[in-house]
Amino acid sequence: DQQVKQNSPSLSVQEGRISILNCDYTNSMFDYFLWYKKYPAEGPTFLISISSIKDKNEDGRFTVFLNKSAKHLSLHIVPSQPGDSAVYFCAAIRGSTLGRLYFGRGTQLTVWP
Amino acid sequence: DGGITQSPKYLFRKEGQNVTLSCEQNLNHDAMYWYRQDPGQGLRLIYYSQIVNDFQKGDIAEGYSVSREKKESFPLTVTSAQKNPTAFYLCASSIAGSTGAKNIQYFGAGTRLSVL
Repeated sequence: DQQVKQNSPSLSVQEGRISILNCDYTNSMFDYFLWYKKYPAEGPTFLISISSIKDKNEDGRFTVFLNKSAKHLSLHIVPSQPGDSAVYFCAAIRGSTLGRLYFGRGTQLTVWP
Repeated sequence: DGGITQSPKYLFRKEGQNVTLSCEQNLNHDAMYWYRQDPGQGLRLIYYSQIVNDFQKGDIAEGYSVSREKKESFPLTVTSAQKNPTAFYLCASSIAGSTGAKNIQYFGAGTRLSVL
């Protein structure tokens, strides 16, 4: 049972434009959300996170938005750069499970010149 | 230079053979995790350990075994009972016992296991 869902397997965006990656979750007990970026044959690297008590967190070109009522979060990348081309994973934590992350299946972002 | 080291990078398993994937971390993290990645499947949790000498099964533990004798090390054995072991295996670690920002997991570079 997939508790974290990324329904778009791929996204293609022109360099300089905004990339919006979406993520939905089903478990209302999740209280912290993370985005990871992964290049082929490498481990995921942490990108940005947000607590359930917030609705927005920003770090440079990356902003994560959380809509708790809709159980939806999104990652905005502005402006997009070719080096952003990677697979992006959304992940969520339930406080009671002490750090066990639940991952979505990932979205392949391609940024073209 | 702190981090997580997985070895080998590539591993081949013969039918009926057990193989062990190594994961070492020098981040002084309490918790360690093993994930499996298959194409289009995302990351699925195999086993995790919050402290030394203790570990729990994840979602797909069948055919795998682990040990946690040292804080720095969390090896994963893929046994002959795992009928479809071909995948990319990722080890991660984090500070245990809290949620929020301290629960960011840091990943190794992975081991690709293939069956001969």
